This record gives sequence, structure tokens and C-alpha cells, in this order.
Amino acid sequence: EPEVTQTPSHQVTQMGQEVILRCVPISNHLYFYWYRQILGQKVEFLVSFYNNEISEKSEIFDDQFSVERPDGSNFTLKIRSTKLEDSAMYFCASKETANTGELFFGEGSRLTVL
Amino acid sequence: GNSVTQMEGPVTLSEEAFLTINCTYTATGYPSLFWYVQYPGEGLQLLLKATKADDKGSNKGFEATYRKETTSFHLEKGSVQVSDSAVYFCASKGAGNNRKLIWGLGTSLAVNP
Repeated sequence: EPEVTQTPSHQVTQMGQEVILRCVPISNHLYFYWYRQILGQKVEFLVSFYNNEISEKSEIFDDQFSVERPDGSNFTLKIRSTKLEDSAMYFCASKETANTGELFFGEGSRLTVL
Repeated sequence: GNSVTQMEGPVTLSEEAFLTINCTYTATGYPSLFWYVQYPGEGLQLLLKATKADDKGSNKGFEATYRKETTSFHLEKGSVQVSDSAVYFCASKGAGNNRKLIWGLGTSLAVNP
């Protein structure tokens, strides 16, 4: 069964360092998303991406965050200068169609900022 | 704005007990509704969904019915197992292209043998 894969599964970094989280969506999917879940809190939408550009982003997704799909397969989330409050589980998701298509989630990348 | 409210946990049940996890939503129009499950140490997985009023989603013995009149999508299972121990998230998604999911807080379920 096709799946969304994310790497790394866990990354520990120092405050102020840059972090790149990688996602390989399902191959025929066109819509891509990043969500995050701070421990004990809600799953929060960060950004959606379609046709090589950001479709929608939340207020969380400030200038420290960026996404790109450099090679047509990987979908990356970059945090330029990490803060303690960026510690969370980051989930990538993809779907094939716009409206009713099922959103497939990866297993998540846990980011710990020290 | 749109929102999802689900019952607070944790919920602790004995094996074979009946499970209900309440979820209500507010939305403009008629959103699609979802239940996701997160098993310990794993990512989010879609458990079931319903896209219009009176639809019933079902999977792995779990069911939820889209009730427009009460704006609810309660999750039920007649007989839970220890392997059902997980966190369950209710979510809604508005109509139209590329709408993001709106999530509930999640309800932790622990099933004891």
C-alpha cells in the first residue's frame, strides 16, 4: 500500500540551528501539507502546497518556515532558526484530489529543540 | 470560524466495553468529517470518514454517523480491545478546493485487559 514517508523520525537540535524535515508523498498525489502537534496540544495546520507554490498557510508559518519541492518527489519543511517552542511532532500529508480525496499522513518527525 | 470539539480524556475502559467518544463541529456549509487514530509511537491514520449528512463511516468495528441536526460525529465501538488503546482525533474539512483540516484536541483511550 502506498504511504507517505518522513525523515528523520527524530531530530534533536540546538536552539538557533536550521532544521530540514523531509517527506516523500505518495507518487501520484498533487496536494501536500505540513501539520504539527506540540505534545499535549492540538494538531495544527502549518501550510498547504500545490502546483509548486504555497496555497494556504497559518499564522504559525512565519518567516522562519519555508517549504519546497525541489526535485518533484521530496517535500521539505525548513525551519531557519529553531526556537524551543518549535519542539513538536511534524506531520506531512498528501492527497490526490482537491475536494474529497483522503489525506494520507506520514508517521511524523519528532523535533526536539534544546 | 470552523471548530471541532471532542470529549476530554483520558477514557479508560475494560476490554469488551462499549465506547463512545463525542465530537461536535461548527462550520459554514457542510463539511466532511473524519476520525483519525494515533497508536502509541505511530503517526496519524485515517480511521473513518463521512462526507455528507446521514452518512455512516465504519472501519475496524468503529462507526460514526454524520448528524447534521446535532452537528455531531460521535465515534462508537461495541466491544473495545486492548489494541484499540490510542489517541482519537475528530476533524472536519470544509467544502471547496484545498481546505485544511480542523482538528479536535484528541481523546486518549486506554483499554485494560
